[in-house]
Amino acid sequence: AQSVTQPDIHITVSEGASLELRCNYSYGATPYLFWYVQSPGQGLQLLLKYFSGDTLVQGIKGFEAEFKRSQSSFNLRKPSVHWSDAAEYFCAAQYSSASKIIFGSGTRLSIRP
Amino acid sequence: SQTIHQWPATLVQPVGSPLSLECTVEGTSNPNLYWYRQAAGRGLQLLFYSIGIGQISSEVPQNLSASRPQDRQFILSSKKLLLSDSGFYLCAWSGSSGGSTDTQYFGPGTRLTVL
Repeated sequence: AQSVTQPDIHITVSEGASLELRCNYSYGATPYLFWYVQSPGQGLQLLLKYFSGDTLVQGIKGFEAEFKRSQSSFNLRKPSVHWSDAAEYFCAAQYSSASKIIFGSGTRLSIRP
Repeated sequence: SQTIHQWPATLVQPVGSPLSLECTVEGTSNPNLYWYRQAAGRGLQLLFYSIGIGQISSEVPQNLSASRPQDRQFILSSKKLLLSDSGFYLCAWSGSSGGSTDTQYFGPGTRLTVL
């Protein structure tokens, strides 16, 4: 079955440190890939998306993600986190234009002052 | 630009009472619409999606139903709420171009507490 795995439930990093959130997708075909962020009590905001082409995707708020076909991964990165980045991050995949989006279980990011 | 609204923002209801959550989209026509539930500390569970007026697909059997009386209006309902219906309900929309994938954009959510 198609699935999206975010292996880290909770990550804590120091403010100013670099960040990498992991995401792996299943199935042989390359899906469309997304990262969303959710602040407490809020809806989801799209950070970035990958459909095709350049495997390094730039998003909003200084985030980027790299698609690696060989590892079935789409990890989210930021060179220097800010306290305002504390939130829940969701990776998602869509395996065709007619299929539903599958979400990972999320990674909660905490920022250490 | 497109915007998506949900109301109410928060709701506290007793067990057995009815429910009606509303979602409306502005600035687009014939969107695909979705209802998700997010239980505390959990990921998103797709409940319903709709590709047009009166066209509703249910993803999981449950105590809830959905309706789409107008092109840009999506309603989540229940006749009798259960404790397990508590959660954060998110509405989302996407385009319906058909030829390419369309990103889903989410509303602000409704926090439902069933007591």
